[in-house]
Amino acid sequence: QVQLVQSGAEVKKPGASVKVFCKASGYTFTDNYVHWVRQAPGQGLEWMGWINPNSGGTKNVQEFQGRVTMTRDTSISTAYMELSRLRSDDTAVYYCARLTGDREFDIWGQGTMVTVSS
Amino acid sequence: SYVLTQPPSVSVAPGQTARITCGGNNIGSKSVHWYQQKPGQAPVLVVYDDSDRPSGKSERFSGSNSGNTATLTISRVEAGDEADYYCQVWDSSSDHYVFGTGTKVTVL
Repeated sequence: QVQLVQSGAEVKKPGASVKVFCKASGYTFTDNYVHWVRQAPGQGLEWMGWINPNSGGTKNVQEFQGRVTMTRDTSISTAYMELSRLRSDDTAVYYCARLTGDREFDIWGQGTMVTVSS
Repeated sequence: SYVLTQPPSVSVAPGQTARITCGGNNIGSKSVHWYQQKPGQAPVLVVYDDSDRPSGKSERFSGSNSGNTATLTISRVEAGDEADYYCQVWDSSSDHYVFGTGTKVTVL
């Protein structure tokens, strides 16, 4: 079946970096953009940006400019999101999601909890 | 930036109808999508393009969109519908994807 499977939980210190992976299966990885969305504890959904798995092109929100890097490896149908210079307010569940049709997210990864604590 | 506003909470008795609003400037001109998120789980798409349902999703979920308000309607509410619900649009002017503030639905 179509699914996105993400890497496991991470605990990082402030100033460190974290890299989360999102492995796609059940569909052609290069056919759909992969987006990243995060959710801080008890908060709502926050869109971070996307990667075009076909071209490798990316876009992310200004808030993360210079701190987030989105990449992909088409040979293993996997997208990556790396966030650097971590702060305590980066503590959140990070989701990848597949964009389709009318610009909705039809498939989501299970989420990766990233905890930033000294 | 484009803002989507939802009521923080909606309470409804089993078997009744829940309506969740999503307010945004001229949102009627955009395609609105709705997600259900249960505690500890990833969001799940329940309505897309204002009023369409993904394959396999209950017909109890329906949507509408006009003017400055989009609405998700849950008919014959069940205990299993208790969750957070988010609306989402694509804002063409900024090329950003925007989520609503979220609504917690409580089944009494």
